[in-house]
Amino acid sequence: DGGITQSPKYLFRKEGQNVTLSCEQNLNHDAMYWYRQDPGQGLRLIYYSQIVNDFQKGDIAEGYSVSREKKESFPLTVTSAQKNPTAFYLCATLAGANRAQYFGPGTRLTVL
Amino acid sequence: AQSVTQLGSHVSVSEGALVLLRCNYSSSVPPYLFWYVQYPNQGLQLLLKYTTGATLVKGINGFEAEFKKSETSFHLTKPSAHMSDAAEYFCAVTEGYGNKLVFGAGTILRVKS
Repeated sequence: DGGITQSPKYLFRKEGQNVTLSCEQNLNHDAMYWYRQDPGQGLRLIYYSQIVNDFQKGDIAEGYSVSREKKESFPLTVTSAQKNPTAFYLCATLAGANRAQYFGPGTRLTVL
Repeated sequence: AQSVTQLGSHVSVSEGALVLLRCNYSSSVPPYLFWYVQYPNQGLQLLLKYTTGATLVKGINGFEAEFKKSETSFHLTKPSAHMSDAAEYFCAVTEGYGNKLVFGAGTILRVKS
């Protein structure tokens, strides 16, 4: 079954802790993206990666880090430096010539 | 930088009525334009896209949108609303290297019975 998986669905973190959100895809898409969604603000780009071992900052990269060691995986780490991490996080991949991004089911992170 | 404006954070229609969700973008070059739908606590689902060619684009679930370059608009319509259309809708445009998407703030559609 092809698609994008994000885990966990819900995540709780204490202040001062780093946490890593998983994004895996078996669509064989080269490009992957991480977005943050807050109510009334749409989605904002955190990081993106066009190929393995390469990634670029998006509009709100401060307090986040990523890696792209495998084509299938693009994990996002929310560090303690992120001042307001409570949000819904969405991972997406790009379907090449189709030019459309396809989204995973999301992870809701809550800082306690 | 690109920007996307969705007029109306909330739109309410009766079941069977026309749905019109408005989207305007800023771009000096021909853009790629998208509409996505999101149900509560789920990811975004692609409704339709405009890349090149015909300016009237048909998507899933009976939705369509028309690209109007002169008005920098890409409004989403559906002739007859169904209860299952109640969701949040996002308009997006590609920007620059990497096919990044810039999103509007979203419009929550409510369908009344």
